[in-house]
Amino acid sequence: KNEVEQSPQNLTAQEGEFITINCSYSVGISALHWLQQHPGGGIVSLFMLSSGKKKHGRLIATINIQEKHSSLHITASHPRDSAVYICAVGNRDDKIIFGKGTRLHILP
Amino acid sequence: GAGVSQSPRYKVAKRGQDVALRCDPISGHVSLFWYQQALGQGPEFLTYFQNEAQLDKSGLPSDRFFAERPEGSVSTLKIQRTQQEDSAVYLCASSQGFSGNTIYFGEGSWLTVV
Repeated sequence: KNEVEQSPQNLTAQEGEFITINCSYSVGISALHWLQQHPGGGIVSLFMLSSGKKKHGRLIATINIQEKHSSLHITASHPRDSAVYICAVGNRDDKIIFGKGTRLHILP
Repeated sequence: GAGVSQSPRYKVAKRGQDVALRCDPISGHVSLFWYQQALGQGPEFLTYFQNEAQLDKSGLPSDRFFAERPEGSVSTLKIQRTQQEDSAVYLCASSQGFSGNTIYFGEGSWLTVV
């Protein structure tokens, strides 16, 4: 079993829809990261969380430490949001472990 | 520099050739990570440095893979006797300290072994 599991693996939605991507992890962590990777592009950090909730524009990330679960939400989705979204956790040995990513495709 | 810089961006190697991939982390960043990303997959951990110390190399797939960071800044990932299955994007990332800090990624080095 992977230490970081994401769901869904693939998601196609219409422009304007509310998007939720989930991440569950099985290790003790010091921080959880949500990352975005556009096709052929580099990876950029969207959020780093250790508790609670963060918001940046149309993106919201939440984490529940007790349940070892995090969600990334996108409100009013747009075709430019199409990308791979990756959940990564920093474990207590300072190693970053990645999920396999969620491939999001927003249709105009 | 302003960000994590990797070179070369693209490398085509003949099977059996040795390659060296370079990563320039953000100045002052203590932690440096190397990841391998196959097409359509998420990044897979290869190795991790804190300053010049290689703390974890459990992800290196074989003894053909070797990484170093001799002065605690620039790092080189070396792949000896490349095989076709080594074709992937090799990503370098750095962070200021420990895993509770934001991580910054380079653009990656795209390796194709023919």
